[in-house]
Amino acid sequence: EAEVAQSPRYKITEKSQAVAFWCDPISGHATLYWYRQILGQGPELLVQFQDESVVDDSQLPKDRFSAERLKGVDSTLKIQPAELGDSAMYLCASSLTSGRSYNEQFFGPGTRLTVL
Amino acid sequence: DQQVKQNSPSLSVQEGRISILNCDYTNSMFDYFLWYKKYPAEGPTFLISISSIKDKNEDGRFTVFLNKSAKHLSLHIVPSQPGDSAVYFCAAGDSGGGADGLTFGKGTHLIIQP
Repeated sequence: EAEVAQSPRYKITEKSQAVAFWCDPISGHATLYWYRQILGQGPELLVQFQDESVVDDSQLPKDRFSAERLKGVDSTLKIQPAELGDSAMYLCASSLTSGRSYNEQFFGPGTRLTVL
Repeated sequence: DQQVKQNSPSLSVQEGRISILNCDYTNSMFDYFLWYKKYPAEGPTFLISISSIKDKNEDGRFTVFLNKSAKHLSLHIVPSQPGDSAVYFCAAGDSGGGADGLTFGKGTHLIIQP
């Protein structure tokens, strides 16, 4: 069964360090999303890609966060420098396309980030 | 400003009975809604969805009801099983443009008691 892959599953870092997360969407899925889920909250969208282009990054803290999907397949989310408030689960999701009535997004297992 | 609200942080239901999870939304632009189930240390898993042109969608033990005038939807699970114990997220989307990231509620922790 096709799945969204993410690595690492867990990451512990000290504040002011740089961290990077990787996501490989389901094969053939043109749309890729990064969400952040703080404990006790629902996932919140950080950035959306359609192929290699950014569709929506309005909620991405661009002073420290960056995201890329250079070849329109896998994607990397980076935080530099990490802050204590960045501790959260970072979820990647993919879907066949965007703008459909039923935008079923498939989620990966997430990366749990702890900033000390 | 929370656009999708799940006002019950937790819900306890006996095995075999009906579980009803509720969700309210404020944004009139939302035209489709989804329910996701999440176990600890895993990503959300899609359960069921409904378009704003419908008022009911059923898939096995899961039924979602949508009341557009009240901006309210609910997920019914019948009968409830121990494996249904998880956090359930209500999510909403707007298919009007290319940017269609979902807006999630805070989740309801469903506990099925034997």
